[in-house]
Amino acid sequence: NAGVTQTPKFQVLKTGQSMTLQCAQDMNHEYMSWYRQDPGMGLRLIHYSVGAGITDQGEVPNGYNVSRSTTEDFPLRLLSAAPSQTSVYFCASSFSSGPTGGNTIYFGEGSWLTVV
Amino acid sequence: DAKTTQPNSMESNEEEPVHLPCNHSTISGTDYIHWYRQLPSQGPEYVIHGLTSNVNNRMASLAIAEDRKSSTLILHRATLRDAAVYYCILRATHAGGTSYGKLTFGQGTILTVHP
Repeated sequence: NAGVTQTPKFQVLKTGQSMTLQCAQDMNHEYMSWYRQDPGMGLRLIHYSVGAGITDQGEVPNGYNVSRSTTEDFPLRLLSAAPSQTSVYFCASSFSSGPTGGNTIYFGEGSWLTVV
Repeated sequence: DAKTTQPNSMESNEEEPVHLPCNHSTISGTDYIHWYRQLPSQGPEYVIHGLTSNVNNRMASLAIAEDRKSSTLILHRATLRDAAVYYCILRATHAGGTSYGKLTFGQGTILTVHP
């Protein structure tokens, strides 16, 4: 059981380049989400998904795309990287809230992205 | 979305109890109260959660006010490894409930533990 796996762990991009941050979970969780965390700040929700084929925007979705073709994977795409997207990105997953809203959220170890 | 309010920082001495407060005055009747903590350079990790009754686990205790508008995370004996940022968040039990899907983390409380 690997939990939530994020790749790559570190990445440097040039302004204007595109890339995809990968997130995979092996716990059959319906809910997955992406957060970004800037230095000294809390986590801000980018996009989330409550099941395969269903995605929605969080607080800071601009400049990012997501898709959820399978239960296991939830990639985050940076369309045209900007220095303002320099941040640490965390993927998270859990069983859906449903009638048991107490389901634990599991986080990946983070992806450190620098845009120069 | 229901919001939570926490103090920016708190300090404690090692082996003393720590009480971390959280206000959530707009909590819905179906929202669970979750606590997570984040160690430096790591992703957040689960600490405890509850709905109405106080909860205990091996890591901590959660005391929930009778009106559910506030809660307190209790670390019974702080250790240096408990130094982290602690987040209090609300999670809905069903679609349409407050914060369903859109789990919002506030700034959290930075806990410093002194030897």
